[in-house]
Amino acid sequence: KAGVTQTPRYLIKTRGQQVTLSCSPISGHRSVSWYQQTPGQGLQFLFEYFSETQRNKGNFPGRFSGRQFSNSRSEMNVSTLELGDSALYLCASRPDPRRGATQYFGPGTRLLVL
Amino acid sequence: TQLLEQSPQFLSIQEGENLTVYCNSSSVFSSLQWYRQEPGEGPVLLVTVVTGGEVKKLKRLTFQFGDARKDSSLHITAAQPGDTGLYLCAGAYRDDKIIFGKGTRLHILP
Repeated sequence: KAGVTQTPRYLIKTRGQQVTLSCSPISGHRSVSWYQQTPGQGLQFLFEYFSETQRNKGNFPGRFSGRQFSNSRSEMNVSTLELGDSALYLCASRPDPRRGATQYFGPGTRLLVL
Repeated sequence: TQLLEQSPQFLSIQEGENLTVYCNSSSVFSSLQWYRQEPGEGPVLLVTVVTGGEVKKLKRLTFQFGDARKDSSLHITAAQPGDTGLYLCAGAYRDDKIIFGKGTRLHILP
């Protein structure tokens, strides 16, 4: 099976712009979670989608939003970018959150905000 | 606040030495995962432990889940430069919330 894929791998944006990141889960996985990783804060949970519904949400401002499509692919959007949004954004998939916590991560999207 | 503390934060040792890193919490987990992450890449799953007292081995890596399911350890025997990376533990609660530790950055010197 192919692993979790994320596009793009790298992005450079300027403050105030918006960005959309994409994640394709492992085939058959219906849950996708998004994380922000920075050197100082580590991995921080953004949100999880399962069967097109947001299931859990972390403590991030409303500028961070996401959605999931019927094929389980997910997108994350960040509006009005700030310098502090520079980070590695990771998505992780698992078959069904009700059946186990083990997640599989994609390679991440490195976002740099100038 | 639910916390998962990893120690040490940084570890630099010579090739061939043994080491242990720890993952501790005051909360009980339904399961715990260990991942290794290399720079610029996503975390790669190493193991999932579920039962208190469980021990799993992956070549030179030995993972143990505490009897009370509040802590875990990762022991590496005869470390090699390829073991270099960030080791993350993640604990899952019964309500399905998952939290990550901040990781142990391991550097193996050749």
